[in-house]
Amino acid sequence: GAGVSQSPSNKVTEKGKDVELRCDPISGHTALYWYRQSLGQGLEFLIYFQGNSAPDKSGLPSDRFSAERTGGSVSTLTIQRTQQEDSAVYLCASSLVWGGSNQPQHFGDGTRLSIL
Amino acid sequence: GQQLNQSPQSMFIQEGEDVSMNCTSSSIFNTWLWYKQEPGEGPVLLIALYKAGELTSNGRLTAQFGITRKDSFLNISASIPSDVGIYFCAGHSNTGNQFYFGTGTSLTVIP
Repeated sequence: GAGVSQSPSNKVTEKGKDVELRCDPISGHTALYWYRQSLGQGLEFLIYFQGNSAPDKSGLPSDRFSAERTGGSVSTLTIQRTQQEDSAVYLCASSLVWGGSNQPQHFGDGTRLSIL
Repeated sequence: GQQLNQSPQSMFIQEGEDVSMNCTSSSIFNTWLWYKQEPGEGPVLLIALYKAGELTSNGRLTAQFGITRKDSFLNISASIPSDVGIYFCAGHSNTGNQFYFGTGTSLTVIP
């Protein structure tokens, strides 16, 4: 597609379960970012990938969170042993390159995660 | 990570009124972006600014890159109901390699 695609759009799961969120960036974009947005809040940076370089994981809130990007394209964000405080919208963005001040990020519509 | 100070946090205005919001940082930025997020969707880029003092328009929206390079302003003229949403600023500094986002301004337009 033309934009960043995220799936699922909504996910409801029980506390303690693992979840996987998927992001398909804009074709040709080498940089990919994950953010978390809690209700009524701004964007919390989680992790970014640039090409085949090691990702910057500095924003991940705990070791229950991990992400990978296979083949430099699709990325999955995995949350293990989910907790209620993990409930949020998880947004993915991509840009042509990473770190470029003239390379704005383009966002997907997010995955709304609800932990019961 | 670093967050930008965005104000006001929320605005309730009558249709037809003009809107002004701003974003400030303690760091010098070389790029400022403004996004709009509607309910159930991701942020959409509205305006990008790349030079201090730059003034750029997109329809009824006008944004400016502050001369100090530590702030930016977004104005919306003659607001309409579809302007409702959350507006985010984002900035990119010379010393970092990522964009930092403001906390958002929630805009409600009353018909």
